[in-house]
Amino acid sequence: DGGITQSPKYLFRKEGQNVTLSCEQNLNHDAMYWYRQDPGQGLRLIYYSQIVNDFQKGDIAEGYSVSREKKESFPLTVTSAQKNPTAFYLCASSGRGQETQYFGPGTRLLVL
Amino acid sequence: KQEVTQIPAALSVPEGENLVLNCSFTDSAIYNLQWFRQDPGKGLTSLLLIQSSQREQTSGRLNASLDKSSGRSTLYIAASQPGDSATYLCAVTPPTDSWGKLQFGAGTQVVVTP
Repeated sequence: DGGITQSPKYLFRKEGQNVTLSCEQNLNHDAMYWYRQDPGQGLRLIYYSQIVNDFQKGDIAEGYSVSREKKESFPLTVTSAQKNPTAFYLCASSGRGQETQYFGPGTRLLVL
Repeated sequence: KQEVTQIPAALSVPEGENLVLNCSFTDSAIYNLQWFRQDPGKGLTSLLLIQSSQREQTSGRLNASLDKSSGRSTLYIAASQPGDSATYLCAVTPPTDSWGKLQFGAGTQVVVTP
């Protein structure tokens, strides 16, 4: 059953803490993406990766970091430098940069 | 900078009525345009993708048109059903040298009442 999985569904972050959101895909896609969605707003691109061991900053990369050590995995770390992390985070993948993107179910990050 | 706008932000229609959702963008230099559906608290599902050389795409009750010169796309949903209630987002892809940098509108929240 091919698709994208994200975990956890809900994540709570304490002040000054780094947290990592997981994204895994078994679609054999080269490209993977991380978006942030705030209420009433469209999605904004945080980071994207075209191939393993390579990634690029999106429009709102400050306070976030990523790695792409395996084709199937693209974890996102929300660092303590991100002062307003409360949002819905969506991971996506695509076969090539310009084809349809397929999205995971999302992770909601809340601050304690 | 490309800006994508969706008006109205919310729409309520009775079951059976046709839905018309609008998307406008400021820069006509796009590679393609996509329409997505998002259910509350869920990820996005791709509905239709229109390449910049195409004028429209159809899938079942859905039809999307694209007018690049005027910077507009319209999604038509025929004979709406309560199951069509969701938020619909459009997104444009910049020209070929900008991998994956989709620019999204804020979406139109649709409620179809029985």
